[in-house]
This record gives sequence, structure tokens and C-alpha cells, in this order.
Amino acid sequence: EPEVTQTPSHQVTQMGQEVILRCVPISNHLYFYWYRQILGQKVEFLVSFYNNEISEKSEIFDDQFSVERPDGSNFTLKIRSTKLEDSAMYFCASRTLSGNTFGSGTRLTVV
Amino acid sequence: SQQGEEDPQALSIQEGENATMNCSYKTSINNLQWYRQNSGRGLVHLILIRSNEREKHSGRLRVTLDTSKKSSSLLITASRAADTASYFCATDELGGTSYGKLTFGQGTILTVHP
Repeated sequence: EPEVTQTPSHQVTQMGQEVILRCVPISNHLYFYWYRQILGQKVEFLVSFYNNEISEKSEIFDDQFSVERPDGSNFTLKIRSTKLEDSAMYFCASRTLSGNTFGSGTRLTVV
Repeated sequence: SQQGEEDPQALSIQEGENATMNCSYKTSINNLQWYRQNSGRGLVHLILIRSNEREKHSGRLRVTLDTSKKSSSLLITASRAADTASYFCATDELGGTSYGKLTFGQGTILTVHP
């Protein structure tokens, strides 16, 4: 069964550093998303991406965040200057008619 | 309450019993989806029910949707210890600005004792 692949599975970074979270969505999907889940809390929408541009972003997705689909396969989330409160599980998802397929997530720990 | 609120927040049952989790939402929807998450792991899509459907089955899972009450339920029959996980409902809002964007509830933590 096709999968959404995320790397790395766990990343530890110093506060203020830039991180790039990577995702390979399912190849024939057109809609891509990033969500995050702070430990013990619900999953929150960050951004949706279609036709090489952002279609919607949440209030969480401020200027320190950006997304890119640089080569037609990878879909990346960049956090420019990480803060302690950015520590969370970040999920990538892509869309099918039967629902959204999520990757297994990247656990980001900012120290 | 917020979009996609589940109850109960936690459910503890014995293996072999049925588990029922409920979800309420506030807006009109295209569909409602249920996901499972093992502790600290990824989200696994269980089932999608469209707004014009009332009931759907998948293996030991049964989902109902009542759009007049804006509620859904997930029933897991003959539960197993391996069903222990958090279960989330997520709504895809009708007329939303972003196709396929999901709004998640807080989830129900299900514990199945062997």
C-alpha cells in the first residue's frame, strides 16, 4: 500500500537553529498538508499546499515557517528559527478520495 | 464545544468487550474520518464516512454519522489488547477554504485489558 514517508523520525535541535522536515507524499496525490501535535494535545492543521502554492495556512504558520516542493517529489517544512514551543510531532499528509494518508511523523525536540 | 470533540476522553474495557466512542462537531461537513494513534506514533486512517452516508463498516469497526445531530460514533467490536490506542475523529468541513483540510478532536484514549 502506498505510504507517505517522513524523515527524520526524530530531530533534536538547538533553539534558534533552522530545521527542515522532509516528506515524500504518495506520488499521484495533488494535495499536501502539514500538521503538528504538541505532546498530549490534539493534532493541529498548519498548512495545505496545492499546485505548487499554499492554499491555506493556520495562525500557527507564521513567518518562521515555510513549505516547498522543490523537485516534484519531496515536500518540506522549514522552521527558520526554532523556539522551545515548536517541540512537537509534525505530520505530513496527502489526500486521496478515501481520506488523508499521514506519514509516521517527525518528532522535533528543541532544546 | 470545539469542532470534533470526542467523548469519553478515556475508556477502559476488558478484551472481548465492545468499545464505543463518540464525536460531535459544529459545522457542516463533507466527510468525517476516524484515525488511530498508538502512543507517540503516527496517525493511521481507519475509516471515512461521507455526509450522505449514515453507517459504514470495516472489519470490526462500525461508524455511524448523524448529520442532523452533528455527531458520529465509532464502535469497535470484540476488542483486543492490540486495540489500545488513542482514537481521533477529524472533520473535513463543507465549503472550507482548503480541500481536504481536517480539524481534529481531542481524542479518546482506549485501554483494552487482556
